[in-house]
Amino acid sequence: DTEVTQTPKHLVMGMTNKKSLKCEQHMGHRAMYWYKQKAKKPPELMFVYSYEKLSINESVPSRFSPECPNSSLLNLHLHALQPEDSALYLCASSQGRQETQYFGPGTRLLVL
Amino acid sequence: EDQVTQSPEALRLQEGESSSLNCSYTVSGLRGLFWYRQDPGKGPEFLFTLYSAGEEKEKERLKATLTKKESFLHITAPKPEDSATYLCAVQGVDSSYKLIFGSGTRLLVRP
Repeated sequence: DTEVTQTPKHLVMGMTNKKSLKCEQHMGHRAMYWYKQKAKKPPELMFVYSYEKLSINESVPSRFSPECPNSSLLNLHLHALQPEDSALYLCASSQGRQETQYFGPGTRLLVL
Repeated sequence: EDQVTQSPEALRLQEGESSSLNCSYTVSGLRGLFWYRQDPGKGPEFLFTLYSAGEEKEKERLKATLTKKESFLHITAPKPEDSATYLCAVQGVDSSYKLIFGSGTRLLVRP
């Protein structure tokens, strides 16, 4: 089983809203990732968690706040987003940071 | 700097017309090369991981090969359901385990 789940599938939010994206995997993977993908572009890495600790932050604005409550869950808290933050947000996981990454279906985010 | 270039950007095939997608890479030391398939609005679906030159992997109509400078994804007798964007990514030994993605090849297979 190589399933990563993400909720919600779609999200529309205003620039003053606070919302959260959720990601879950039950494969026993110890590395989890957040990516942002704009239309017709490849995924861009945002954050990497390894053994529940933040190991990479790709200079992402503070309006994006990641959280890893346990080894199976990864959240992305959103606050005061801008319209240019509208994108497909992808979660991925891997056994270790040098192993194959498996992606979830994504959350389509629209910021109005 | 690690870099990945995919060609062509877009490819149109007739059903049954075999072809190959190219992924050229520059990396200080290759830890792994990954192929993914992505349908519009969905997350990338893992296809193959290749680790060393000369390695080949197959899955249904797809076959991935690897040399020291490039990888090919061969599609044999494609079907319309093979239409998707195919992404190539590399992970270098000096990249802090990051995946470096190419821009993808958009494949359309017409019946």
